[in-house]
Amino acid sequence: AIQMTQSPSSLSASVGDRVTITCRASQGISDELGWVQQKPGSGPKVLIYAASTLQSGVPSRFSGSGSGTDFTLTISSLQPEDFATYYCLQDYNYPYTFGQGTKLEIK
Amino acid sequence: QVQLLQSGGGVVQPGRSLRLSCATSGFTFSNYGMHWVRQAPGKGLEWVAVVSHDGSHTYYADSVKGRFTISRDSSKNTVYLQMESLRPEDTAVYYCAKITAVAGGRYFDSWGQGALVTVSS
Repeated sequence: AIQMTQSPSSLSASVGDRVTITCRASQGISDELGWVQQKPGSGPKVLIYAASTLQSGVPSRFSGSGSGTDFTLTISSLQPEDFATYYCLQDYNYPYTFGQGTKLEIK
Repeated sequence: QVQLLQSGGGVVQPGRSLRLSCATSGFTFSNYGMHWVRQAPGKGLEWVAVVSHDGSHTYYADSVKGRFTISRDSSKNTVYLQMESLRPEDTAVYYCAKITAVAGGRYFDSWGQGALVTVSS
C-alpha cells in the first residue's frame, strides 16, 4: 500500500496567517491526491481533488499543488472557521490511504 | 438532494459480527462507486473498502481484508458493510461515502452521518 506522510502533525497559527501543510507519497501518484477537512464532531469534507482542483463552494483562500510524490495545501489567510484537522488522501490506487492528519489550532 | 443515511452501529463482543447499512437517495445509485471510511476514537481517517458502481469489483484495506465484505443492492439503493470476526481495534465511527468521477479526477462528494461501532466484551 502507498504510504502518505503528512507534516506537520499539528500547527498553531493566527487568523490572517498563511499556512502550508505538506504530504509525501511513498511512490509516485501523479496528481491523484485530495485534501480533506474535518472539524470536531463533524464528518469529513473534501476541499481539493486532483491535487489542485477546488471543490465547488470551497473558498479560494485554499489551494493545492504538487504532482508525483510531493504535495502542498496552502491556506492564504486563515479564517476562524478554518481551524480543523486536515488530511491528504491518495486515490491513485487501492487501497486508498490517508495521511495521519494535521491539526490546525488557534495561537 | 443527495442523502446517505446510515444504520446498524452498536456495541458488539470481540469475534462477533455486525452489518452496517447506508441507504441512499437523490442520485442514480447504479452510476456511482461507494466507499466506507472509518475513524477510531481520537485517531485519523482510515479508508476501509469500495464497491464499484455495478457491484462487480470490490477492494479492501489490508486491516479488514478477509473479515469485512462490502456489497450493494440496487433495488434498495443501499450499500452494506458486513463485518465478521470483529476486534477491539475495529472500534470506530464508520462513514459511507459516494465518490464522483469528473474530467481530471474524482472525489468524495457526499458522506453519511457516521455510525459508531464499539467492539468490547
